[in-house]
Amino acid sequence: GAGVSQSPSNKVTEKGKDVELRCDPISGHTALYWYRQSLGQGLEFLIYFQGNSAPDKSGLPSDRFSAERTGGSVSTLTIQRTQQEDSAVYLCASSLAKGGSPLHFGNGTRLTVT
Amino acid sequence: GEDVEQSLFLSVREGDSSVINCTYTDSSSTYLYWYKQEPGAGLQLLTYIFSNMDMKQDQRLTVLLNKKDKHLSLRIADTQTGDSAIYFCAESIGDYKLSFGAGTTVTVRA
Repeated sequence: GAGVSQSPSNKVTEKGKDVELRCDPISGHTALYWYRQSLGQGLEFLIYFQGNSAPDKSGLPSDRFSAERTGGSVSTLTIQRTQQEDSAVYLCASSLAKGGSPLHFGNGTRLTVT
Repeated sequence: GEDVEQSLFLSVREGDSSVINCTYTDSSSTYLYWYKQEPGAGLQLLTYIFSNMDMKQDQRLTVLLNKKDKHLSLRIADTQTGDSAIYFCAESIGDYKLSFGAGTTVTVRA
């Protein structure tokens, strides 16, 4: 596709359930990022992929959060045993991973944990 | 440290110029960015500036960088209602990461 695609666009889940968020980056972009945006907050870095490996997972808030990337393309962010504080917009971005290459963002997945 | 700060709100009259300010902390940042977010959408790259530049102009947008003071600004000339959005300043951290401010909500009034 022309841009970064994320699905679902909205997800409502009950506390304690697991959720999977999907990101399809721009074709040819080797770098992929997950960020979290909470109401009134800036963007919180979660994880960075270069190809299929994740050299920087420093932003994952707890061991309930995990992410993988396959084929150097699609990525899935999984949140296990969701809590209400996980409610946020989860944004995925991709880039060419060259110095200065800007990040291109998807429209995000709005997660609501009830 | 990684800390980008920007004012939270700006109200401007249609047709006037908007100026959004940002301060950052990492003196080694190579690139600085401005992103725009409209309701329900992701972040759209507006413009970015290399750290060895003082100014960059792109149509109605002017970016000014004061590296000594670690201050970045975005000026939007002839502000239109379609410019109402949240504007994020970001600095590059190392080779791949961006650190974002909390965003400035710009409201354009008639």
